[in-house]
Amino acid sequence: QVTLKESGPVLVKPTETLTLTCTVSGFSLSNARMGVSWIRQPPGKALEWLAHIFSNDEKSYSTFLRSRLTISEDTSKSQVVLTMTYMDPVDTATYYCARIPPGRGYSTDYWGQGTLVTVSS
Amino acid sequence: SYVLTQPPSVSVAPGETASLTCGGNKIGGKPVHWYQQKPGQAPVLVMYYDSARPSGIPERFSGSNSGHTATLSISWVEAVDEADYYCQVWDSTSDHVVFGGGTKLTVL
Repeated sequence: QVTLKESGPVLVKPTETLTLTCTVSGFSLSNARMGVSWIRQPPGKALEWLAHIFSNDEKSYSTFLRSRLTISEDTSKSQVVLTMTYMDPVDTATYYCARIPPGRGYSTDYWGQGTLVTVSS
Repeated sequence: SYVLTQPPSVSVAPGETASLTCGGNKIGGKPVHWYQQKPGQAPVLVMYYDSARPSGIPERFSGSNSGHTATLSISWVEAVDEADYYCQVWDSTSDHVVFGGGTKLTVL
């Protein structure tokens, strides 16, 4: 059974750094061309892709947020970590991680439940 | 950057067919994926590679993609189909994933 679960702080202060962890089970991050995306959704707004990482350590970041994001993975722990620096109230959103299976055109077939992060002093 | 355009809302009566569009420059040349999101839930993949249905998605869902418009069609619409629907592509030029702004499907 494939699952992904996001974890991290529910509240961060402006200018702080956010660190989110996606713990996966039911598949291996080491599988060829397996990837994980981070996507966020501000309350009442649309989905926004942030970054993805693949098993060969290939990474890509949203152009708009590139300077603030870092994505990494620890295959031994089955975890993908996203850090976002200089958090601002506009970054308040539900953050999701999702699996990118190989050969499916960068679609995401399994999503975590999401974690709501509020940025406020 | 690549832009996907979706109408904010579509309304249909039960039993009718809903056609949800996703516009993009030469989108017909890109695989398009569709997600359904109900309030308070994570998105669910309902169509990938334009017209392929993941396991468990009803045959009432179908997809097409040509020219500058991709379409997700839901036939025999039911109340349970009421949700937000997002289209998504991967832009190979930038290696970026792009989502449309979403369409709220209302079942009258």
